[in-house]
Amino acid sequence: QSVLTQPPSASGTPGQRVAISCSGSNSNIGSNTVHWYQQLPGTAPKLLIYTNNQRPSGVPDRFSGSKSGTSASLAISGLQSEDEANYYCAAWDDSLNGWVFGGGTKLTVL
Amino acid sequence: QVQLQESGPGLVKPSETLSLTCTVSGGSIRSYYWNWIRQPPGKGLEWIGYIYYSGSTKYNPSLKSRVTISVDTSKNQFSLKLSSVSAADTAVYYCARGGGMDVWGQGTTVTVSS
Repeated sequence: QSVLTQPPSASGTPGQRVAISCSGSNSNIGSNTVHWYQQLPGTAPKLLIYTNNQRPSGVPDRFSGSKSGTSASLAISGLQSEDEANYYCAAWDDSLNGWVFGGGTKLTVL
Repeated sequence: QVQLQESGPGLVKPSETLSLTCTVSGGSIRSYYWNWIRQPPGKGLEWIGYIYYSGSTKYNPSLKSRVTISVDTSKNQFSLKLSSVSAADTAVYYCARGGGMDVWGQGTTVTVSS
C-alpha cells in the first residue's frame, strides 16, 4: 500500500479535461512539494510537473498541477491519445525521511 | 544533456547480493544527488535511496538493512548493492537525478531466481 493515494484508473475522450488526485498527509504533501511523472508503456518515468505546478521545458501547457493542504492534483486538458499512460505523484516524507510515491493512475483515452 | 545508464546482471540467485551501476554522461556527478528507484512487474514505483557525490546517503527505511549505495566520482558512477535478495526484489531498477528526479535511466530488469 502506497503512502500517497491515487485512483487506480481514470479515463476521458479526446479533447476532454481529466484530473488525477493524489492524497497524502501532513508529513509529505502537507509540508513538501509534489512532483508528477508520466510513464508511457515500456518506458522509464518522465518528469511532468515539479514543485507542485512547474512544467519542465518541453512539457505541453495542457498539463498542469496544483496542491492544496495534503492533496495534489494533475490536470490534463485537450486530452490526446498519446496521453494514455500511467501517472505517479511523489513527495518527500518528513516522517519516513525519504521519497514516497503514489500507487499510480492508469489513464485511458477512450 | 545529462544521460543515465544502468548496468549489471539481469539474473541474481535468491539470498545473493544484487549489484547495479549507474553511469552519468554529459554532466558531472559532482552536483545534485542521485537516486535508485525500482518497479516490480505490473506495480508502482518504490524509492530505494540516494547518495550525494560527497558520499552521504539516505535509504528507504523498509530496505535500509539490506541496501548500500556508493559513488565513484572518478568514473562518474554510483552503485547499488541489495543483499539477501528474494523473488520480491524482482523489478526494473532505475537510477534518476536529484530531488525532482528530472532525468532517468532507461531501467534494467533484474530477476531473482535460482
